[in-house]
Amino acid sequence: SQKIEQNSEALNIQEGKTATLTCNYTNYSPAYLQWYRQDPGRGPVFLLLIRENEKEKRKERLKVTFDTTLKQSLFHITASQPADSATYLCALDPLSGGYQKVTFGIGTKLQVIP
Amino acid sequence: GAVVSQHPSRVICKSGTSVKIECRSLDFQATTMFWYRQFPKKSLMLMATSNEGSKATYEQGVEKDKFLINHASLTLSTLTVTSAHPEDSSFYICSAAHPGPSQPQHFGDGTRLSIL
Repeated sequence: SQKIEQNSEALNIQEGKTATLTCNYTNYSPAYLQWYRQDPGRGPVFLLLIRENEKEKRKERLKVTFDTTLKQSLFHITASQPADSATYLCALDPLSGGYQKVTFGIGTKLQVIP
Repeated sequence: GAVVSQHPSRVICKSGTSVKIECRSLDFQATTMFWYRQFPKKSLMLMATSNEGSKATYEQGVEKDKFLINHASLTLSTLTVTSAHPEDSSFYICSAAHPGPSQPQHFGDGTRLSIL
């Protein structure tokens, strides 16, 4: 069955360091992958999208990689700040039949310690 | 500013009550909107896809008579939880996306539903 795995354990890092979050998937052939941020009691907020033919995407302090061979995406936040503390979700869409149906991972909670 | 507005943000009501949740797309006309349910420490679970002017598409296991979806205009979709029971207590979130593949979803801030 299709599966998206994110480390559900919280990730604690020191302010200023680079945070790296992992998203692994099985039995999927996603056309693209998205990353969202979710704060407690709020809806997710879109951060970045990367397509299957792209290896890397950057936006300010954020960087996403996509390895379709390893079936893995890495999400990096450089020079992390306490305000980056949140849960980060990856989402995949296989574009099956042209019908948009994004499936979300459980998310990884990031805590940036001052 | 907010692209999608969801209302109410919190509802507490008695068992047997029907509850309506509104989802408005503020910045663009959304032919398709999505309704999710999220349990604590669980992933977002897609309940249904709301299509403007036609019937919603429900995911397997979601009772369409229990969760009524209406998408009467390009900017408004509503979810009505009918005859709610305590097991329906959850965090419900809607989203809207521009038409076409690879478009990101814009989420509302969710509705915390508590059924006593």
